[in-house]
Amino acid sequence: NAGVMQNPRHLVRRRGQEARLRCSPMKGHSHVYWYRQLPEEGLKFMVYLQKENIIDESGMPKERFSAEFPKEGPSILRIQQVVRGDSAAYFCASSPGLAETQYFGPGTRLLVL
Amino acid sequence: KQEVTQIPAALSVPEGENLVLNCSFTDSAIYNLQWFRQDPGKGLTSLLLIQSSQREQTSGRLNASLDKSSGRSTLYIAASQPGDSATYLCAVSPSGGSYIPTFGRGTSLIVHP
Repeated sequence: NAGVMQNPRHLVRRRGQEARLRCSPMKGHSHVYWYRQLPEEGLKFMVYLQKENIIDESGMPKERFSAEFPKEGPSILRIQQVVRGDSAAYFCASSPGLAETQYFGPGTRLLVL
Repeated sequence: KQEVTQIPAALSVPEGENLVLNCSFTDSAIYNLQWFRQDPGKGLTSLLLIQSSQREQTSGRLNASLDKSSGRSTLYIAASQPGDSATYLCAVSPSGGSYIPTFGRGTSLIVHP
């Protein structure tokens, strides 16, 4: 059973471009969480999704950021018009159910030039 | 709003020492508490999960305790080894809502031979 997969592992974008980060949860997991880790800061929750539904997006910036988890395919975190402050490691986690142990992917390191 | 604090922020010890890492949280209405390990450039690996009704959990050389009323948890590492070098994160999930965990900033541990 493969773990949580994220791609790309590293992503470089210039200011104003779009960044798309993908997350494939573990097999059998229908709950996906996105977190952001800034240098010298802790892991911050962004959004929690189940298939085709956003359950909690209280940690998402109001503008430029969006997330989806379609019926088929991976979950996508999309950042439009990136700025240098978006440079961070973005982690995805999945769980089989609500409040169960979350399993983390290796992360995507985004660098905005 | 839950706040999670981890002390110390960094720790460097010789191999073989027994270690105690501390985690404190401000809101005792928790569902569970989890300890993670993060290696440089990698994702998070779950070490131990303690439900709110439990007092401790053990796995190999690791033992985690929970005192919910005082808002504290400790991670005890016995007979430390260089391979234990990593950042250790504490995460607290609230009871109710979407159970989204709040993470501490971590303790960066170096065990030198």
